[in-house]
Amino acid sequence: RKEVEQDPGPFNVPEGATVAFNCTYSNSASQSFFWYRQDCRKEPKLLMSVYSSGNEDGRFTAQLNRASQYISLLIRDSKLSDSATYLCVVPRSGNTPLVFGKGTRLSVIA
Amino acid sequence: DTAVSQTPKYLVTQMGNDKSIKCEQNLGHDTMYWYKQDSKKFLKIMFSYNNKELIINETVPNRFSPKSPDKAHLNLHINSLELGDSAVYFCASSQVRGDEKLFFGSGTQLSVL
Repeated sequence: RKEVEQDPGPFNVPEGATVAFNCTYSNSASQSFFWYRQDCRKEPKLLMSVYSSGNEDGRFTAQLNRASQYISLLIRDSKLSDSATYLCVVPRSGNTPLVFGKGTRLSVIA
Repeated sequence: DTAVSQTPKYLVTQMGNDKSIKCEQNLGHDTMYWYKQDSKKFLKIMFSYNNKELIINETVPNRFSPKSPDKAHLNLHINSLELGDSAVYFCASSQVRGDEKLFFGSGTQLSVL
């Protein structure tokens, strides 16, 4: 299994839809996980952190399944402004730098 | 005020040339990084510095030489540029080593012709 693996998409959804992305990881010792968002031709920015079973922030919910080694990101009531690439990020171990997945591209259509 | 600023934003150059990209952060962070994002959008760590000290070098060719004159600056010098070096290079910083919250610069798009 790759360190971090994501479905590249694209996911094309209408406004108001609910969409979910999954990300699998190989390091079973990883304790924390992150979702970053990258807009086209822009830098990545931290969206959410997941330290235990899950985290919710408004329309966004991140969940962690340690047994199956995947994390998910759920976006409810999609907005046009949610169109971006969502990067799953996992630390290797200890204080090593983060490993970024290749990202899942989301297009929300009017 | 830009937290992490890198220059130039675009860099177009010929094969074999030497070029530099500069990065500065005004966040007071201890750790800085260089990431490379290739045409397939894969974002990969190149180097990490903590308080001016190199802590990570991810098997990057030695044509790439980072330099950190102080903890607020991390510059990247590239010798003998090759076509495969074309990519977007992102500088980033974090408060401490291992911190998951990275602040990225806006990127430098390097095109080697």
